[in-house]
Amino acid sequence: EVQLVESGGGLVKPGGSLRVSCAASGFTFRNYRMNWVRQATGKGLEWLSTISSDSTYIYYADSVKGQFTISRDNAKNSLYLQMNSLRAEDTAVYYCARVSPDGYIDSWGQGTLVTISS
Amino acid sequence: NFMLTQPHSVSESPGKTITISCTRSSGSIASNYVQWYQQRPGSSPTTVIYKDNQRPSGVPDRFSGSIDSSSNSASLTISGLKTEDEADYYCQSYDTSNRWVFGGGTKLTVL
Repeated sequence: EVQLVESGGGLVKPGGSLRVSCAASGFTFRNYRMNWVRQATGKGLEWLSTISSDSTYIYYADSVKGQFTISRDNAKNSLYLQMNSLRAEDTAVYYCARVSPDGYIDSWGQGTLVTISS
Repeated sequence: NFMLTQPHSVSESPGKTITISCTRSSGSIASNYVQWYQQRPGSSPTTVIYKDNQRPSGVPDRFSGSIDSSSNSASLTISGLKTEDEADYYCQSYDTSNRWVFGGGTKLTVL
């Protein structure tokens, strides 16, 4: 069974940094592209970043480019999102998501809540 | 970049058919595949349609997708509505720079 388990969320002061992680299991992690998607409370889905299976290709939404960094460790079956210079508007649930070979998200984690507040 | 615009909310009675639209602001809707995701309250999203009109295994054939170049939009149609279909639905596509674009979401109420 495919499992994606995010961790590392929490309360951070404005201007602070946080790294959220996603532990993957139940599939060959190194073969899949992965995404980070976030959702503010009561709001819609916002794509943040995609990383190719071997980290060769990385793409960011304009809203987080230069602020967030996606990475992965295929040996550890883990995906990461380093978030810097955090602002109140970054408060959201952050989802890790697997991209199927057909190019759509076929598995989502349960999400981890990141709250930016003083 | 382009935007995908969805109605904020729709409602219909059980057993009826509903269609949710997703209009692309610029560029052709046919130039990149459209996906549809369902998100029930308190849950992570799941895919109901991919590549414009394909259903993942396990998704009932009551769900169908299409695109219409004349209106530059994609549509998700749900027939034989059930109360369990009540959820938020999001369309999604890609731009030429491999960035993903989500629509704003449509809240479906089955009453």
